[in-house]
Amino acid sequence: GAVVSQHPSRVICKSGTSVKIECRSLDFQATTMFWYRQFPKQSLMLMATSNEGSKATYEQGVEKDKFLINHASLTLSTLTVTSAHPEDSSFYICSASMGGDYNEQFFGPGTRLTVL
Amino acid sequence: QQQVKQSPQSLIVQKGGISIINCAYENTAFDYFPWYQQFPGKGPALLIAIRPDVSEKKEGRFTISFNKSAKQFSLHIMDSQPGDSATYFCAAMAGTASKLTFGTGTRLQVTL
Repeated sequence: GAVVSQHPSRVICKSGTSVKIECRSLDFQATTMFWYRQFPKQSLMLMATSNEGSKATYEQGVEKDKFLINHASLTLSTLTVTSAHPEDSSFYICSASMGGDYNEQFFGPGTRLTVL
Repeated sequence: QQQVKQSPQSLIVQKGGISIINCAYENTAFDYFPWYQQFPGKGPALLIAIRPDVSEKKEGRFTISFNKSAKQFSLHIMDSQPGDSATYFCAAMAGTASKLTFGTGTRLQVTL
C-alpha cells in the first residue's frame, strides 16, 4: 500500500523557536496533502489543505502566519510551526491523496511536538 | 452541517463479541465514508470505506452498514480480539480528493 512518512517523529523545543515537520509520500505522487492536529484523547482537526505548487488553504481559526505550509513537490510537504508556544504542543499528522478519482487519504505516523 | 456525530465515546467488549460503533451526519453532499483505526502514538489507518450506493460492505471481520435515508452508518467488528483495542474514527468526505470530516472517536477495549 501507499506509504507516508513524517520526520521527526518526536521533537521537543523551547518556547519561541520554530519547528519544521516533513511529510513525504514514499511510493506515490501526492497532488494534495493535508495537515491535522490532534490533542490527547480528541479527534483529528484539519488545519490546512495543500496542493503541489500552490498556496495552502487554511481552516477557520488556524493562523496561516504561525503554521507555514509548503508543498514544493509531489512527494513532500512541510509544516513549520513558527514561534512555538506550549499551547502548540500536540500530535501533528499529515495525510496524502493521489487526487483524481481517488478518495483515500494515506496517513503518516504523526509527529509529537512538545514546546517547553 | 459539517459535523459527523459518533457514539459511543468508549466501548468495552469481551473477546469474541461484536463491537458496534455508530455515526450520523447531516451534509447530504458527503459521498465517501471511511473508518479509521488508531493506536496510541500512531497515525490513523484506513480499515474499510463505503459509498452511499451500497448498504453494506464487508471486509474480513469488519462490516460497514449504511442507511442513506437516516444519514447513519455503523462499523461492526465481529469476533472482537484484544488486538482490536484502539480508537476508531468514522469520517466523511464530499467529492474526490477532498477534506475529511472526522467523528469524535470511540475508544474500544476488548477484554479477555
